[in-house]
Amino acid sequence: EAEVAQSPRYKITEKSQAVAFWCDPISGHATLYWYRQILGQGPELLVQFQDESVVDDSQLPKDRFSAERLKGVDSTLKIQPAELGDSAMYLCASSSAGFSYNEQFFGPGTRLTVL
Amino acid sequence: DAKTTQPNSMESNEEEPVHLPCNHSTISGTDYIHWYRQLPSQGPEYVIHGLTSNVNNRMASLAIAEDRKSSTLILHRATLRDAAVYYCILKEMGNKLVFGAGTILRVKS
Repeated sequence: EAEVAQSPRYKITEKSQAVAFWCDPISGHATLYWYRQILGQGPELLVQFQDESVVDDSQLPKDRFSAERLKGVDSTLKIQPAELGDSAMYLCASSSAGFSYNEQFFGPGTRLTVL
Repeated sequence: DAKTTQPNSMESNEEEPVHLPCNHSTISGTDYIHWYRQLPSQGPEYVIHGLTSNVNNRMASLAIAEDRKSSTLILHRATLRDAAVYYCILKEMGNKLVFGAGTILRVKS
């Protein structure tokens, strides 16, 4: 069964350093999402791509976070500089289309710890 | 964003049915009701969704009230592997999932 791949699974960094996370969605899925999940809370959408275009980044802290999906396939989420409050699980998800009935498939996530 | 209300936690015995409630009194006519669950240390997993009619799949059943202001996720025979956080989500146009805190389901053997 096709899965969403994410790497790394775990990342420890010091504050003010740069970090990057990679996501490879299920083949053929046009819509890709990045979520952040703080311990004890539900995931929060950071950015949504439709192919290579950003369709929603309203919750993305743009002063330090950036996301790209250059060829409309895999995607990278970057944080520079990392802050202590960025410690969280970063989840990637994909879906075949952007309709309200399409299910999203989530990857295993990247657990970020900022020291 | 449309809101849902779920109990913080529920407990069930293994091999018994579980009914997880969700209130969504401000639902609009085009909102789909989605349920996802998240097992420990994993990403969320799709469970089921519906619009107006009750739905069944291999994982669960979804019962939707006639006025659509509430719904219930039904696990017919809970197993230890069903212990997870269950999220009830109203899915708006544009495919944006807005997660709440969900219901922590504990299953006792």
